[in-house]
Amino acid sequence: QVRLQQWGAGLLKPSETLSLTCAVYDGAFSGYFWSWVRQPPGKGPEWIGEINPRGDTNYHPSLKSRLTMSVDTSRSQFSLQLTSVTAADTAIYYCARRMMIAGRPTRIDRWGQGTLVTVSS
Amino acid sequence: DIVVTQSPNSLAVSLGERATINCKSSQSVLFTPNNKNYLGWYQQKPGQPPKLLIYWASTRESGVPDRFSGSGSGTDFTLTISSLQAEDVAVYFCQQYYASPYSFGQGTKVEIK
Repeated sequence: QVRLQQWGAGLLKPSETLSLTCAVYDGAFSGYFWSWVRQPPGKGPEWIGEINPRGDTNYHPSLKSRLTMSVDTSRSQFSLQLTSVTAADTAIYYCARRMMIAGRPTRIDRWGQGTLVTVSS
Repeated sequence: DIVVTQSPNSLAVSLGERATINCKSSQSVLFTPNNKNYLGWYQQKPGQPPKLLIYWASTRESGVPDRFSGSGSGTDFTLTISSLQAEDVAVYFCQQYYASPYSFGQGTKVEIK
């Protein structure tokens, strides 16, 4: 059974950079899109972006200017960096796996445990 | 961008009764070449990540009890819990994966009456 385990700093000051990494265990790394989703407290999830093992990325337009995703296929890991954070970026951040079918990303079927990231001065 | 709207925001249902949640997308999520609706349903319990229940609008994920069912096509979808159990208390989200950015609904909280 595939597991996604994520880690990174949970408390940031405004203008700092959010960095999270997710490792994939007990499952294939190729053939999927690897995504990040965030969920502000008490609200619905928001898809942030994704990367495939080749390094092709797709970012949410509202975050594109501050967002970088990377992948390390040798370690089955992928990472997220979000620069210049503000209080509006406070949320639980999840890494997730998206099924890829006929070259198109589809449903998210596995999630990491989540990391609460709080931005506060 | 596709906007996904759920209704109601919350509902209380007696144990053993039916719960119905609606999800509406601002444009069709039916992919004509394969005739599949690119919509999924998730269940989220407190302190946990979302869990996939339904994909392609009506296909139950492996291991999901058959009291959960999904229906609809195009822009209007429904998640039905045929006989509510105590362990079904949760927030339910729909998500379209037809077009980026892949938007979620705001959630529907299901409680026991």
